[in-house]
This record gives sequence, structure tokens and C-alpha cells, in this order.
Amino acid sequence: ELKVEQNPLFLSMQEGKNYTIYCNYSTTSDRLYWYRQDPGKSLESLFVLLSNGAVKQEGRLMASLDTKARLSTLHITAAVHDLSATYFCAVDGSGGSNYKLTFGKGTLLTVNP
Amino acid sequence: DVKVTQSSRYLVKRTGEKVFLECVQDMDHENMFWYRQDPGLGLRLIYFSYDVKMKEKGDIPEGYSVSREKKERFSLILESASTNQTSMYLCASSFLTDYEQYFGPGTRLTVT
Repeated sequence: ELKVEQNPLFLSMQEGKNYTIYCNYSTTSDRLYWYRQDPGKSLESLFVLLSNGAVKQEGRLMASLDTKARLSTLHITAAVHDLSATYFCAVDGSGGSNYKLTFGKGTLLTVNP
Repeated sequence: DVKVTQSSRYLVKRTGEKVFLECVQDMDHENMFWYRQDPGLGLRLIYFSYDVKMKEKGDIPEGYSVSREKKERFSLILESASTNQTSMYLCASSFLTDYEQYFGPGTRLTVT
């Protein structure tokens, strides 16, 4: 059974600081997805990482994928309050059938002034 | 832009009622999914469908059924709602050969 673990689950940080969220998964996969969820809202796609060594950046967020280590990171640079949200990683691990994703439990990020 | 819509944002039902949650997508996606989201448990897959009239159970199908009569529409049915089905329900869709899922706004269901 595929397991996806995010670390930390809760993150409180000050504006201007840097931090990294980690996503570990238990079986081989070449595809990893990061989503953002604002309070009371649905999930919005942030990054799609489709191969080993993939790196994507948008604004203050940068995501990377190491398929050999089964690890993805979401790095936050110089955090601002608008980044406060819950961040989920998701991995496909169904062996190619039916295109299901398994989600981590999410990291609740709070950026304080 | 992909658009996934859900019939209600908020719904309050009584125990034992039959509840229908509807999801519609406008991107001609083959795959459609129903999840529930609960604090501390993340997203859990209830059912998914990869074609009209086709469905497969997810991780927590008990107490739920689904219907997909048209490609763009996927319905989640609670045959007899119970208080432990109080949750946020999220619908998502994707292309057949693409894992990236697009989510609807969610329905917050309260069963009293």
C-alpha cells in the first residue's frame, strides 16, 4: 500500500523566513503533485513534477522531486502572509491503473507578520 | 480553464435521508473522483469512475454509491445519511491518461 507522509504537519513561520516542507512516499513513482488549499476552499494545483530531478518554481515557492530517494520538497523563500494555506503533496502509486492519486495529510502553513 | 462545479456549497440533512451530491466538469475528462476530507485524515477516496456507467470503489466506499450516466456528470449518493458522514466532499476530474486532478469547490455536508 502506498503511503505518503508530509513533514511537518503544522508550520508557523515569520514573514521573510525560509522553510522547506518534505513529502516522502513509499513506492516507486515518477509523478508527484503539489496542491494548495485555502481555508474553506478547494484544492488548487501548484506544481506537477513528472521526472527525477524535476524542479519547478513559481514566485516564492519551489518544488523538486528526487524519485530515487522517494522525496519531494516544497521550499518557501521569504515567506509572506498570503502563503498561509494547507499544502498537500500527492503521488500516483496505483501501478498505472485508473490514475488514482494518494494524498499526504497536508501541511498547515501559517505565516505571521 | 478547467471548470468543476458541485451542486451545493453547504448542505444540511437529517439522519436517514437520502442525499445526492452532484459534480459536473466541462473539460471532457474521462476520470472523475469523489473524496471526503476530514481534519487530521486528509483526503480519502470514496469512489471513482473512468467512463460512463463505470465505477470503482476507493478506500472508503461503505455507505456511499455513485452514478455516472453522462460523461460530464458524476453523482455521489448517501442512501441513508448518518452523522458520521458529516464532512467536506470534494469532486475532481482528470483525463484518462493524466494523473493531474482538478477539483471542484467542495460541498460541506452536515448530517444532524
